[in-house]
Amino acid sequence: GESVGLHLPTLSVQEGDNSIINCAYSNSASDYFIWYKQESGKGPQFIIDIRSNMDKRQGQRVTVLLNKTVKHLSLQIAATQPGDSAVYFCAEKGWLTSGSRLTFGEGTQLTVNP
Amino acid sequence: DGGITQSPKYLFRKEGQNVTLSCEQNLNHDAMYWYRQDPGQGLRLIYYSQIVNDFQKGDIAEGYSVSREKKESFPLTVTSAQKNPTAFYLCASSILRTMGGPNTGELFFGEGSRLTVL
Repeated sequence: GESVGLHLPTLSVQEGDNSIINCAYSNSASDYFIWYKQESGKGPQFIIDIRSNMDKRQGQRVTVLLNKTVKHLSLQIAATQPGDSAVYFCAEKGWLTSGSRLTFGEGTQLTVNP
Repeated sequence: DGGITQSPKYLFRKEGQNVTLSCEQNLNHDAMYWYRQDPGQGLRLIYYSQIVNDFQKGDIAEGYSVSREKKESFPLTVTSAQKNPTAFYLCASSILRTMGGPNTGELFFGEGSRLTVL
């Protein structure tokens, strides 16, 4: 399954499928990007990050892809599990424009159906 | 265990009252932040502080106040001037990012405080 992030805030997938969550960012000066996972009623938790000098970074079951040309970030979750159900936020930071501030996207609600 | 502690987890307030949300961290982080989250929406920055005794307004600072008297603590006061205070409030901290430095400044979040105005 695939979402367009800001324009399609919900994504529903079957357990075991791969999920792709997309995020468009607006600041071309951003040089650091993070994906967070937020479960209901809890604070966001770090999933994976990527710096602007990279196009791809892999973690455990997750991969982040960065396309600076079109200012697009995606999070791929392999073999999605029910425990992956949560809201996923992308966040960006640019030293010159924001110092230590992170700017968050609107979030995408991922629902994993058993 | 190191981490960020927010309290209270749930808070009810009558209109016209000020309330203060607590945020404490023992991660030795220089920077601390307060975000507001409304249902089904993203995080909006209220205030942030990069050093003791200094703080800056975020995107939605009106009706809120903060203080940073200690490195570990960054309390947020929701004043009666905040017109729509019912929300989920998140505190976070991070290493202060330095230009060209190795630290990327990932934010560590607390578990949140849910404020409801009656």
